[in-house]
Amino acid sequence: QKEVEQNSGPLSVPEGAIASLNCTYSDRGSQSFFWYRQYSGKSPELIMSIYSNGDKEDGRFTAQLNKASQYVSLLIRDSQPSDSATYLCAVIEGNNDMRFGAGTRLTVKP
Amino acid sequence: ETGVTQSPTHLIKTRGQQVTLRCSSQSGHNTVSWYQQALGQGPQFIFQYYREEENGRGNFPPRFSGLQFPNYSSELNVNALELDDSALYLCASSLGGTDQPQHFGDGTRLSIL
Repeated sequence: QKEVEQNSGPLSVPEGAIASLNCTYSDRGSQSFFWYRQYSGKSPELIMSIYSNGDKEDGRFTAQLNKASQYVSLLIRDSQPSDSATYLCAVIEGNNDMRFGAGTRLTVKP
Repeated sequence: ETGVTQSPTHLIKTRGQQVTLRCSSQSGHNTVSWYQQALGQGPQFIFQYYREEENGRGNFPPRFSGLQFPNYSSELNVNALELDDSALYLCASSLGGTDQPQHFGDGTRLSIL
C-alpha cells in the first residue's frame, strides 16, 4: 500500500519562530512533490512545489527534498498567526496519481 | 484569470440517490482532477481527465464516474449513494501533465442522510 505520512499534530510554535513540517512517502518512483495549505473549511492552496533534491526557497517558505530518504519537509520562518492552518504534503507517484498525506495542523501563538 | 469554480457548494441527498457535481477549470487549464476529502483526512484521488479522456483513477468503485467537456469543464457522478460518501468533493485543474501543480476549487460539501 503506497502511503504519504505526516505527523497529524497539532504543532504549536510561538510567533516569529520556525515551524518545521515533515513528510515521508513510500513510492520510490515519485518525482513531483507539493505542499498545500488548507484553512479550516476552505480548499487546499498551493504553497510550494519541488522536483529535485535539495532546498527550494520562496519568501518565508523553504521546501527540502531528499529522494534517497524519501523525505520532504517544509520550513516556515518568522511564523505568523495567519500561518495557522493544516499543511498537506502531496506526491505524484510513479503511476502519475497524486497522493496526499492526512495533513499536519499548525498553530502559531501570538 | 478565472479560478476553479464548483457547483453546488452544498448538497444533501439520501442513500441510494444519484448526484452530479460540476467543475469549471481555471482559464487555460486542460486537466481536471477530482478528490474526496473526509473530515480530518487529506484529499483522496478519485480520477483525472485530460483532454476529455480519463487519465488515471484512484481506488474508488465504478459508481463514481465522470466526464470532461470540450471546454475542459468536468462532472463527477456518483450513483447509489452511501452514507460514507458524505465528504467534501474537490475539483482541481492544471495545465498539461500530471506533474504540474493543481489549483483547487472551493469544493462541494455532500451530506448523505
